[in-house]
Amino acid sequence: LAKTTQPISMDSYEGQEVNITCSHNNIATNDYITWYQQFPSQGPRFIIQGYKTKVTNEVASLFIPADRKSSTLSLPRVSLSDTAVYYCLVGDIGQGGKLIFGQGTELSVKP
Amino acid sequence: ETGVTQTPRHLVMGMTNKKSLKCEQHLGHNAMYWYKQSAKKPLELMFVYNFKEQTENNSVPSRFSPECPNSSHLFLHLHTLQPEDSALYLCASRISGGATDTQYFGPGTRLTVL
Repeated sequence: LAKTTQPISMDSYEGQEVNITCSHNNIATNDYITWYQQFPSQGPRFIIQGYKTKVTNEVASLFIPADRKSSTLSLPRVSLSDTAVYYCLVGDIGQGGKLIFGQGTELSVKP
Repeated sequence: ETGVTQTPRHLVMGMTNKKSLKCEQHLGHNAMYWYKQSAKKPLELMFVYNFKEQTENNSVPSRFSPECPNSSHLFLHLHTLQPEDSALYLCASRISGGATDTQYFGPGTRLTVL
C-alpha cells in the first residue's frame, strides 16, 4: 500500500477555500485516492474518491495531476463545522477494502 | 447517521472483566471491520471480515476476539485487557468488491480499561 504524506495541521478562516495536498509518490496503477473526514470521538466519514484528473461532489473537489503522485482536496468556503481531521488514503479498492490511515491533517477553521 | 450502529457507546472495565462490543449494519454490506484509535493517533486496522470469513488479523493480541455470525453483525469480545487498550473502537462496513472503496463507520465505542 502506498504511503501518504500530508501536512499535520492547517488553519483557515470561515468563508475561505482550503486546499489540502497529499503526496503519494509510490502510488500503484490500480490505486485510487480517497479522502475521509473525522470529527473528535466519531468515526471517519467518506468525502470523495478519485483516480485521475478532477472529481467534484456536493462537499468537495479532488484534483489529481497526470502523474498521480499527489492529490489536492479542495473545500470551498469552509465554515466552523469543517474543523476536523482529514485523511488521505491510497489503495487498490479491489484488495478487500483494506485502508491504512496516516496521521491526517488537522484543519482548524476560525471565525 | 451512517447506517452502522455500535453499542455500547462508552464502556469502563477492569482488567479482569469480560465484555463484548457490538456492531450492526443493515446496509446490505458484506465486509466488516474493526479499527482501534488511541488518543491523538491514526486509526489502526484490527480485523477484516468478508462474507463472514475473517480475511485479516493485523497482529492483534488474543485478548481481542472477533466474531461475525452474519453479514450484518460483528462483535469484539474483550478479556483480560490492559490499560493501554483504552481507546476508541470503530466498526466499519462496505460492499466487498464494490466499485468504490467507501467504508461506512459507526460512531465508535469509547473504552476505558482501569
